[in-house]
Amino acid sequence: SYEVTQPLSVSVALGQTARITCGGNNIGSKNVHWYQQKPGQAPVLVIYRDSDRPSGIPERFSGSNSGNTATLTISRAQAGDEADYFCQLWGSSPVFGGGTKLTVL
Amino acid sequence: EVQLVESGGGLAQPGGSVRLSCAASGITVRNNYMNWVRQAPGKGLEWVSVIYVDGRTYYADSVKGRFTLSRDNSKNTLHLQMNSLMPEDTAVYYCARSVDTDTTRWFDSWGQGILLTVSS
Repeated sequence: SYEVTQPLSVSVALGQTARITCGGNNIGSKNVHWYQQKPGQAPVLVIYRDSDRPSGIPERFSGSNSGNTATLTISRAQAGDEADYFCQLWGSSPVFGGGTKLTVL
Repeated sequence: EVQLVESGGGLAQPGGSVRLSCAASGITVRNNYMNWVRQAPGKGLEWVSVIYVDGRTYYADSVKGRFTLSRDNSKNTLHLQMNSLMPEDTAVYYCARSVDTDTTRWFDSWGQGILLTVSS
């Protein structure tokens, strides 16, 4: 089955730009989706089909996907952005990355 | 507004059975692709099962032959019958609506989750 790799943790200074990666073999040929999960809460879709944003998600959240890496970018990071972030794509079934904990310093 | 409310979790014995339910409002279950996704304590997300609009069901290899997904159209509810439970089935189980295309699926609405603990 298709495997994806995420860094365990990413730190960003308040107001700066955070980039969370999702790596996989030729992942650029697949659609990647991103979820935010805060402690004790259900995941929330923040990006779908690489770079589309659901209604209600701030424009600070953006996505890109090329080659072997998909990237979730969070601009002007806020304390409220602290969460776990999971990438997801379709292999022969839905596949999730292991998640990245974002810390806003 | 889509609302998905899970119920039926708790403590179960290894080898035992449990039925999880997901009551939907704001959407019609029979007209949507409905899934279960689980998350073991402190771990990542794992897709479990899906039921398509046409009634076809699919399962992750880890639960195939043990779990059965169905829907009750009259009650707009999804059910996950879980048999032959194992300790590694311990997780928060989320009901989730997905959007499916020819090449991908994403989950755009999630319930709050229900904890199932399998332990003697």
